[in-house]
Amino acid sequence: EDQVTQSPEALRLQEGESSSLNCSYTVSGLRGLFWYRQDPGKGPEFLFTLYSAGEEKEKERLKATLTKKESFLHITAPKPEDSATYLCAVRAGGGSYIPTFGRGTSLIVHP
Amino acid sequence: NAGVTQTPKFQVLKTGQSMTLQCAQDMNHEYMSWYRQDPGMGLRLIHYSVGAGITDQGEVPNGYNVSRSTTEDFPLRLLSAAPSQTSVYFCASSSLDSNEQFFGPGTRLTVL
Repeated sequence: EDQVTQSPEALRLQEGESSSLNCSYTVSGLRGLFWYRQDPGKGPEFLFTLYSAGEEKEKERLKATLTKKESFLHITAPKPEDSATYLCAVRAGGGSYIPTFGRGTSLIVHP
Repeated sequence: NAGVTQTPKFQVLKTGQSMTLQCAQDMNHEYMSWYRQDPGMGLRLIHYSVGAGITDQGEVPNGYNVSRSTTEDFPLRLLSAAPSQTSVYFCASSSLDSNEQFFGPGTRLTVL
């Protein structure tokens, strides 16, 4: 059974204080690992897809990395507008189209 | 492109009532799905579809029905609403190749 565990559940940072969110996964043949951002009262918004260990992707202050067992979402010099819940999901190979989501990390960045 | 649209945004039902949550997408995506999101539970898959005429159950399908008569539309039916179905419901779509899902804005449902 595919599993995704995100940590920490909640994270409070001061503006400018860099940190990382973790997504640990077990999956039968990784087809893709996805990061989403969800603002309160809205649907998740796609950020990144990572396909293989060693791959990295960046968008503004966010950088996602992937190993064979986990992914990190690094947030460099965060701003209050980065406050959101960040969701991680994996898709297994073998013809399955169903992603498995983690429960998310709630990030609050204080000015 | 409107992306994924959902109606209504808010709904209050009494126990035993039925209703349909509407979902439409204009991106010609084959894959569509319904999730419910509850505090501390994350996103849980209710039903999904890989194309018109094809639907299947997800993790929590009891009490819900779906149909997919067109590529664009994927309505979710609550047959007899129960308080346990109080939740926020999200519809999502993606192409089968990428699985990068596009989510709708959600429907907040309260069952009294």
